[in-house]
Amino acid sequence: DSGVTQTPKHLITATGQRVTLRCSPRSGDLSVYWYQQSLDQGLQFLIQYYNGEERAKGNILERFSAQQFPDLHSELNLSSLELGDSALYFCASSVDRVNTGELFFGEGSRLTVL
Amino acid sequence: AQTVTQSQPEMSVQEAETVTLSCTYDTSESDYYLFWYKQPPSRQMILVIRQEAYKQQNATENRFSVNFQKAAKSFSLKISDSQLGDAAMYFCAYRSERGSQGNLIFGKGTKLSVKP
Repeated sequence: DSGVTQTPKHLITATGQRVTLRCSPRSGDLSVYWYQQSLDQGLQFLIQYYNGEERAKGNILERFSAQQFPDLHSELNLSSLELGDSALYFCASSVDRVNTGELFFGEGSRLTVL
Repeated sequence: AQTVTQSQPEMSVQEAETVTLSCTYDTSESDYYLFWYKQPPSRQMILVIRQEAYKQQNATENRFSVNFQKAAKSFSLKISDSQLGDAAMYFCAYRSERGSQGNLIFGKGTKLSVKP
């Protein structure tokens, strides 16, 4: 158990809909990262938050947004969903006062868009 | 920008034998971290081993060891005495030590099969 909790584990929805994925980092970790894993694109970095503020952006679509709340949990919002958004979405966390050490991953949220 | 390349999409090993997974990376930085993560069918990303670039000694964790060649920008993973539970996707990952961006950059992965 990594200590990172993601909900829901599975989600099936239709094109055009909006979903929210939730992540609770390990106790004491200030940084949260979101990754998308699809069959053809591998693990793609989406966005990082550090102590409530956006720190880095990767290949995140404009239809997607995220935030980190004062209690450090994070939400990834995916809107106007398309078939190609079907993927496994991972959240990871780390302490990150400086960039040392590994990231700890949750079990992922499997999104299926029909 | 940094990149990570895993040139072996699939590998196979006999149980109890040794297998080596390859990884190369490209960076202009001198301070960074390298990792191998394992992703079994359960989907969980599990850290296998880590290497700090400033350390010359290769990291070892039980049956897992790395061959870190900094000048060649190579970071291979050796699995000794392979077990059925080692069957998984293995991802090589890079993390910069400096700067505001601390995310991992992953290779495409190597699928390892273990034959009984």
